[in-house]
Amino acid sequence: GESVGLHLPTLSVQEGDNSIINCAYSNSASDYFIWYKQESGKGPQFIIDIRSNMDKRQGQRVTVLLNKTVKHLSLQIAATQPGDSAVYFCAENRGTGRRALTFGSGTRLQVQP
Amino acid sequence: NAGVTQTPKFQVLKTGQSMTLQCAQDMNHEYMSWYRQDPGMGLRLIHYSVGAGITDQGEVPNGYNVSRSTTEDFPLRLLSAAPSQTSVYFCASRGHAQETQYFGPGTRLLVL
Repeated sequence: GESVGLHLPTLSVQEGDNSIINCAYSNSASDYFIWYKQESGKGPQFIIDIRSNMDKRQGQRVTVLLNKTVKHLSLQIAATQPGDSAVYFCAENRGTGRRALTFGSGTRLQVQP
Repeated sequence: NAGVTQTPKFQVLKTGQSMTLQCAQDMNHEYMSWYRQDPGMGLRLIHYSVGAGITDQGEVPNGYNVSRSTTEDFPLRLLSAAPSQTSVYFCASRGHAQETQYFGPGTRLLVL
């Protein structure tokens, strides 16, 4: 079935480097995407979102890129810090009538000091 | 605002026991959802509600019941717990004009 998934289960980066976390989706009807950060023992925390009529959106140290042609989503974190260590999930809202999110399986980001 | 709250934080059940996981939000959000998260996996939707008195099934509804008698509360019931229901359960809510969902801290459930 259609799903949201991630390419890399674990990503290890050095403190100060930029991180890129990728996500593939297969449902062309999805019109809204969100990145969540989940720290150990906590619920997912909203990072940034993007609508399907955009291809890029920037926040504080984070950028989300959406490539609808290949159904690919990425999260870029600039100057990665130890506090960024967590599991990152992409999620999609499959448009009209869908009131909840479909999540990918997650990528663990490990920041080495 | 307390946001989304969940109780209990941790629960151990024996197979066949029943229990209710509580979820409440004080943001006057119309939409509420229940997810389960298993090790190494993303969140999977169990049930959701678009307003008081309205509920619908998600991806993995079997073994769970929900009700939405008020805007604030969205309890999740396990009528006869099974070991396969061992998981971490998250409740989430969002407003009508919003897309972003806000999550509670989770309830860790162990079924023996």
